[in-house]
Amino acid sequence: QSALTQPRSVSGSPGQSVTISCAGTSSDVGGYNYVSWYQQYPGKAPKLMIYDVNKRPSGVPDRFSGSKSGNTASLTISGLQAEDEADYHCCSYAGTYSLVFGGGTKVTVL
Amino acid sequence: QLQLQESGPGLVKPSETVSLTCTASGGSITSSNFYWGWIRQPPGKGLEWIGTMFYSGNTYYNPSLLSRVTISLDPSRNQFSLRLTSVTATDTSVYYCARLPRVRLPGRPDLYSYMAVWGTGTTVTVSS
Repeated sequence: QSALTQPRSVSGSPGQSVTISCAGTSSDVGGYNYVSWYQQYPGKAPKLMIYDVNKRPSGVPDRFSGSKSGNTASLTISGLQAEDEADYHCCSYAGTYSLVFGGGTKVTVL
Repeated sequence: QLQLQESGPGLVKPSETVSLTCTASGGSITSSNFYWGWIRQPPGKGLEWIGTMFYSGNTYYNPSLLSRVTISLDPSRNQFSLRLTSVTATDTSVYYCARLPRVRLPGRPDLYSYMAVWGTGTTVTVSS
């Protein structure tokens, strides 16, 4: 059970779009439509932003969207805002009741 | 609205056992609609799933921690706990508890797939 692969950092200017990738295998990301994304500010607990690949919990702005192609999932933030500067973690169901996370991506708003 | 709060000793010596507790308020840990789990985050690193439990007693653990971890429920106190034995410096982390919605699949076993509610976290430092 290896960790999912995320870029260490991505950046964008206010108003732009940024996309964070989350690469796995056919045993996790590619095998199930159970990818979730979490936003985490420094010193704070993670917050659910996307679940089941592309579903948004109530209260999450619609500029956050998720998708998946093959063994790679993606989180896109459209219309980037200063408050979106945070760490983002992906997570996938990996079979036999196990979950696996990515290493996290720091989003910087320039 | 459910709130979760972790508690623990803070500092633990190498080779000892650490026990953490998560207290739920605003919801019952015996609900058949949810699983309960633990996740940790070493300093400056990503998240790691530790394990998950259903109120019926079914438990599921990260294979890398299987030999050292136990999750249990205390319905009378609306709490669930994590016990990690033989700790080393690599166990130094912020430990989070979370609630995971139960996914019901027709004709197939239920599962869980995401952490919908998180506690605020408790820091465990392993040091002599």
